[in-house]
Amino acid sequence: DAGVIQSPRHEVTEMGQEVTLRCKPISGHDYLFWYRQTMMRGLELLIYFNNNVPIDDSGMPEDRFSAKMPNASFSTLKIQPSEPRDSAVYFCASSFQSSGANVLTFGAGSRLTVL
Amino acid sequence: QKEVEQDPGPLSVPEGAIVSLNCTYSNSAFQYFMWYRQYSRKGPELLMYTYSSGNKEDGRFTAQVDKSSKYISLFIRDSQPSDSATYLCAMVTGGFKTIFGAGTRLFVKA
Repeated sequence: DAGVIQSPRHEVTEMGQEVTLRCKPISGHDYLFWYRQTMMRGLELLIYFNNNVPIDDSGMPEDRFSAKMPNASFSTLKIQPSEPRDSAVYFCASSFQSSGANVLTFGAGSRLTVL
Repeated sequence: QKEVEQDPGPLSVPEGAIVSLNCTYSNSAFQYFMWYRQYSRKGPELLMYTYSSGNKEDGRFTAQVDKSSKYISLFIRDSQPSDSATYLCAMVTGGFKTIFGAGTRLFVKA
């Protein structure tokens, strides 16, 4: 397996533009997590899914952020409209329930810069 | 107060030193206690995890959990320059919600 695949790896956009980040989890994994990492706030959990259903979105900062998981092999995180304070590295991670401990496998991240 | 507290460092040690990294937490619902390592411009990778209070050893790494004090530690023996990275503690609830500490940046000098 190629691991968790995220795209794009880097995105530079202007304030007010729509940003869509994509994630392909590891095949067979039934949990998917979106995190945001900044120097100031560390690694923050935004939302996570189980079997494509959102379980907890309490970390989503505001209505400008939305996430979907239309099937077991694809998820998106959308920011509309984007703001400079959204600049961060966004990580997707997946895991499977039978692991017990929830061992996360992370993607390489999508580095977002909003000018 | 954050659910998981971790000193961000940085921590700089000479090669061969014993490193101690620590986290405290406030949520008694956490069931699993994990340590991830993150190299620059990479995603975090799991180092090791524990479920109960006590020690767990894996090579040069030892994880320690004290549930009564809500305190976890990671010890690295005979530290190497290749251990230079950010170390993140993480706590997992029964519902698989995983909360990370801020991460401690470690530099091991040759």
